[in-house]
Amino acid sequence: EAQVTQNPRYLITVTGKKLTVTCSQNMNHEYMSWYRQDPGLGLRQIYYSMNVEVTDKGDVPEGYKVSRKEKRNFPLILESPSPNQTSLYFCASSVKGGQGYEQYFGPGTRLTVT
Amino acid sequence: SQQGEEDPQALSIQEGENATMNCSYKTSINNLQWYRQNSGRGLVHLILIRSNEREKHSGRLRVTLDTSKKSSSLLITASRAADTASYFCAPITSGTYKYIFGTGTRLKVLA
Repeated sequence: EAQVTQNPRYLITVTGKKLTVTCSQNMNHEYMSWYRQDPGLGLRQIYYSMNVEVTDKGDVPEGYKVSRKEKRNFPLILESPSPNQTSLYFCASSVKGGQGYEQYFGPGTRLTVT
Repeated sequence: SQQGEEDPQALSIQEGENATMNCSYKTSINNLQWYRQNSGRGLVHLILIRSNEREKHSGRLRVTLDTSKKSSSLLITASRAADTASYFCAPITSGTYKYIFGTGTRLKVLA
């Protein structure tokens, strides 16, 4: 089944404790992206990747890191989480970027930072 | 890309009625996409309409695009309780790798 998976689905952590949210897709997609969703603010793009080893900032990259060492995986790293990073996070992928292909979204990761 | 602005912010209708929501954008687009999000879940792609198309259908969905007015509408006919969700538009500018989503239209279909 074609899908985007994220782990963990729920995470409660403390300020400053490094964490990684994994994202994996099995559709051989070139483009992958991370979003955060907050009430009243819609979905905001954090980082995206056009292909292996090619990443770029979205609209809200501060406090986040990403890497794309393999085509299928695009982990989101929070080196020192803070309470303002409490949010619902989504990973998404599409065939290619830059041409407006439809995106496939993961189920989301609800992160709480205390 | 650019952010689409969905209107209305919230819509409540009875089952069986039609639901119409609108999206406005500011600059020329390559295509425009509509997505649905059930509460707390990932977005699901519904339909894509290209800039040279005026209308597109998919099941009970009808999307129109008016590039002169820089607007699109999504019509859901014969709504069902299962259509209760938030709906987002994403206007896509050619050559961009960024997707920008607005705050969506929250549709509630009452049984």
